Amino acid sequence: GQNIDQPTEMTATEGAIVQINCTYQTSGFNGLFWYQQHAGEAPTFLSYNVLDGLEEKGRFSSFLSRSKGYSYLLLKELQMKDSASYLCAVWDSNYQLIWGAGTKLIIKP
Amino acid sequence: NAGVTQTPKFRVLKTGQSMTLLCAQDMNHEYMYWYRQDPGMGLRLIHYSVGEGTTAKGEVPDGYNVSRLKKQNFLLGLESAAPSQTSVYFCASSTSGGAAETQYFGPGTRLLVL
Repeated sequence: GQNIDQPTEMTATEGAIVQINCTYQTSGFNGLFWYQQHAGEAPTFLSYNVLDGLEEKGRFSSFLSRSKGYSYLLLKELQMKDSASYLCAVWDSNYQLIWGAGTKLIIKP
Repeated sequence: NAGVTQTPKFRVLKTGQSMTLLCAQDMNHEYMYWYRQDPGMGLRLIHYSVGEGTTAKGEVPDGYNVSRLKKQNFLLGLESAAPSQTSVYFCASSTSGGAAETQYFGPGTRLLVL
């Protein structure tokens, strides 16, 4: 079956760095997305990886290793507004987007 | 640009009642999607559309119907609501169905079925 695993919840301190991991087992791979979702709001796009390596976008970076079925989202210089859920999603070989349950990130002052 | 809008924002239904959720997008996107989001689970695709006049089943289509009569609108219908359909429903759209295409989400409809 198809499966995406993320930690359910993580806690970090304002100003620190946090890494949110995502492992996947899907029928094929055509790219991986990270979305941010604040409580009670819609998911919004953060990053897309299709090749191995690190993609950096300001305070956020996303890494992909296709051979290991693994990705992480790295958030630097954490701010209180980064408190949200972070969703990992994978395009499988049928171009279906498979979503993880999300990681709730709590930022403490 | 309003992006993707959904109506209503919140609704309470009794078991067996029917309702229609409306999704509208002003980005001229070809693809539109309906998802449901439940606690502890990832977003699950209910139905999707690759263009005006077309619809297709997603992962969890049972109990739902959809229509895409106009390119900008995608309707989700519940003919006879059940408590298991209590969820948050999100509509999304994208330019095409390509792997690199970002999906843009509406604000969601919170549905409670008693």
